[in-house]
Amino acid sequence: DAGVTQSPTHLIKTRGQHVTLRCSPISGHKSVSWYQQVLGQGPQFIFQYYEKEERGRGNFPDRFSARQFPNYSSELNVNALLLGDSALYLCASSKSYEQYFGPGTRLTVT
Amino acid sequence: EDQVTQSPEALRLQEGESSSLNCSYTVSGLRGLFWYRQDPGKGPEFLFTLYSAGEEKEKERLKATLTKKESFLHITAPKPEDSATYLCAVQVNQAGTALIFGKGTTLSVSS
Repeated sequence: DAGVTQSPTHLIKTRGQHVTLRCSPISGHKSVSWYQQVLGQGPQFIFQYYEKEERGRGNFPDRFSARQFPNYSSELNVNALLLGDSALYLCASSKSYEQYFGPGTRLTVT
Repeated sequence: EDQVTQSPEALRLQEGESSSLNCSYTVSGLRGLFWYRQDPGKGPEFLFTLYSAGEEKEKERLKATLTKKESFLHITAPKPEDSATYLCAVQVNQAGTALIFGKGTTLSVSS
């Protein structure tokens, strides 16, 4: 079975730009969560979506938004990028409580 | 505030030298505790879920245990391929399925 897939793998953006990250969950999983991981830290929760509805939001500014599509894939959008947004962005899918992570998208903001 | 603390931050072992990693937590209501393995530049790989004090789970050289305040990940006779960062995370009853992670323990096993 295919695992969680994310695209792109790497991305370099300039301060002030906008970025869209994409995630496809494991087949049969209806919930997708997004996490940000900066170097040397554990992942930090950004959003959770279930059946296209937002079910949870972490302590991130309104520049961060997300949505889930009818096929359960998801997008994370970040506007007005800051240098501090440079991180590994992880998507996780779940059927119940256990979450399975994708390989991540490495975002570098210059 | 819900919090997860992992220790030590880094651990160096010789091949075959068994040890334990610690994850202590203070949460309002624990739903589950999760262990993940993460290789550099990759996403976390699910290892175990523990739901109640006294529960134990095993997988190859790894064994996870849970008490009311902490969890241990025991590594028996480690091999160099066990080198990775091990992350502990909790889910709390009032926070949906969001995971709260510790900073991780980076394990290096030399032959």
